[in-house]
Amino acid sequence: AQSVAQPEDQVNVAEGNPLTVKCTYSVSGNPYLFWYVQYPNRGLQFLLKYITGDNLVKGSYGFEAEFNKSQTSFHLKKPSALVSDSALYFCAVRDTYQYIFGTGTRLKVLA
Amino acid sequence: EAQVTQNPRYLITVTGKKLTVTCSQNMNHEYMSWYRQDPGLGLRQIYYSMNVEVTDKGDVPEGYKVSRKEKRNFPLILESPSPNQTSLYFCASSGLAADTQYFGPGTRLTVL
Repeated sequence: AQSVAQPEDQVNVAEGNPLTVKCTYSVSGNPYLFWYVQYPNRGLQFLLKYITGDNLVKGSYGFEAEFNKSQTSFHLKKPSALVSDSALYFCAVRDTYQYIFGTGTRLKVLA
Repeated sequence: EAQVTQNPRYLITVTGKKLTVTCSQNMNHEYMSWYRQDPGLGLRQIYYSMNVEVTDKGDVPEGYKVSRKEKRNFPLILESPSPNQTSLYFCASSGLAADTQYFGPGTRLTVL
């Protein structure tokens, strides 16, 4: 069965420091992978996706993610965190037409 | 403006009283989907639709119905709501390929 794991419920990072939000997946076949962000009392917003090609994917707001097939991971990264990056982040995988989301990781960037 | 709209945004109802949450998109997207968000469980897909009159079950379809009679609309129907359906519901749409999903603002449903 397809699955997505976000092992950390919360990640704390100081403003200006690099951040990583982890995601691992389990799918049969080639994965389509996504990251979405949810700000308080808002819907989800798309950050980036991996379909094929370059393993390093660049997305919105300075975020990037690295697809690692051997480790079945798709970690979200940003070189320098901002307080405004504080939000709930979801990793997702698409299997045919069905989407599986992770449980979410709350990122807190401390000033 | 490209958007997905949901109505109502907030709803408090009682067990067994049928309700419908509407979802509409103005981007001519083929794919539409409903999710529920619960603390500690993330988003779980309820139903999805690849086009008009084509729908399929997601991970948690029990207690829900959907219909896709027009491309732009994808209502979620709870024929006999129960308290365990209290949740935050999101509608989303996208192109049919592995495309970016656009999410609505959410509907917070409380079933007493």
